[in-house]
Amino acid sequence: QVQLVESGGGVVQPGGSLRLSCAASGFTFSSHGMHWVRQAPGKGLEWVAFIRYDGSDKYYGDSVKGRFTISRDNPKNTLYLQMNSLRAEDTAVYYCAKELKQMSSSTSSFDYWGQGALVTVSS
Amino acid sequence: EIVLTQSPATLSLSPGDRATLSCRASQSVSSYLAWYQQKPGQAPRLLIYDASNRATGIPARFSGSGSGTDFTLTVSSLEPEDFAVYYCQQRIKWPLTFGGGTKVEIK
Repeated sequence: QVQLVESGGGVVQPGGSLRLSCAASGFTFSSHGMHWVRQAPGKGLEWVAFIRYDGSDKYYGDSVKGRFTISRDNPKNTLYLQMNSLRAEDTAVYYCAKELKQMSSSTSSFDYWGQGALVTVSS
Repeated sequence: EIVLTQSPATLSLSPGDRATLSCRASQSVSSYLAWYQQKPGQAPRLLIYDASNRATGIPARFSGSGSGTDFTLTVSSLEPEDFAVYYCQQRIKWPLTFGGGTKVEIK
């Protein structure tokens, strides 16, 4: 069965950095685009970043552009999110999510989600 | 960016009632709209993709309709496990965006 397991969350000071990982199993990771979506405490969902199945395209939300970098290692079935220059408003649960369609030239809905990693930015 | 406005913010209903949730887009998203359900402490779950297609394993009481700027998620008869928060999401244009959510609570 499909599994997505995030790791790397924790407490970091403002201006600091953190790298999240998402270990994928149960599907052909190299055939699916992947996303990061976050949710601040008590708030709604905010899309963060996307990477195409082969890593050829990346897109970011406006609030993280220039500070966060999404990447993937297909042989290791792992997705990453490098977060730099962290701010208090980046405090959230970060979910990795798999795209429904394989090898899509566009993007598709998110059919599986991890359980999330909590990132707290605080001094 | 495309803004998705969900209404109402909260829907108070009883088990067995019909639930009708709305999602309105600030510009056309064609049929590229999905609905997700989220329960407390859990990750979201895909219910409907491309406006009207049920995801794998989703019960037939969930249905989606609409195109362009106006969309509806209908739950024909609420089961106890359906009380949750529901989000719509568009995928036609970057950045991808979610609506603010509708909470379906027990009356």
